[in-house]
Amino acid sequence: DVVMTQSPLSLPVTLGQPASISCRSSQSLVHSSGNTYLSWFQQRPGQSPRRLIYQVSNRDSGVPDRFRGSGSVSEFTLEISRVEAEDVGVYYCMQGTHWVYTFGQGTRLEI
Amino acid sequence: EVQLLESGGGLVQPGGSLRLSCVASEFTLSDYVMSWVRQAPGKGPEWVSAVSSSSLGDITYYVDSVKGRFTISRDGSKNTLYLQLSSLKADDTAIYYCARGGRDSSRDGMDVWGPGTPVTVSS
Repeated sequence: DVVMTQSPLSLPVTLGQPASISCRSSQSLVHSSGNTYLSWFQQRPGQSPRRLIYQVSNRDSGVPDRFRGSGSVSEFTLEISRVEAEDVGVYYCMQGTHWVYTFGQGTRLEI
Repeated sequence: EVQLLESGGGLVQPGGSLRLSCVASEFTLSDYVMSWVRQAPGKGPEWVSAVSSSSLGDITYYVDSVKGRFTISRDGSKNTLYLQLSSLKADDTAIYYCARGGRDSSRDGMDVWGPGTPVTVSS
């Protein structure tokens, strides 16, 4: 199975400051279709995961533009340009290129 | 509104069985890859199983730890996804989420999630 490795696992941030989370995969995530199926999810306490980004850099509807995904092949990054209080939670990357789908360990963002 | 709603979770003894259901609203389940994802207490999500869209032949996939014990299925007439859990172990204790993935051949990550249904395996 593809192993997804996130860093850091804990990310203390100051309101209004930027934040960055790294995600690395043990294999290339480029699918035979040419697409790269790397997604980012946010999970707030007591809630279901919410997809923020799909195919590396596409923001979901309703996701603030302060969230930005980037990367390619096996190295990916989620950046928050200016952290707000509502961004507190755990962030996960997930690959869908290879069966079995796999998640990273999660990065806990705290103010 | 597009949504998913799971049911069927509960307390079950080791070795027991449960059937989880997930009803979809405002979209057709069979057009999408549909997954079950679980999350043990204090842990991250773990993808458990998926079924491809009908256009790709309803192919099923499982994580190794549940192969031979869990079965995913779909009833198009009821627009409902199921997960049959058997030979349950304490390690299967988790909240089980139903989630919608990519349409047709897309392998996009899940964009619609249900609120989850809890499964507790304990004697």
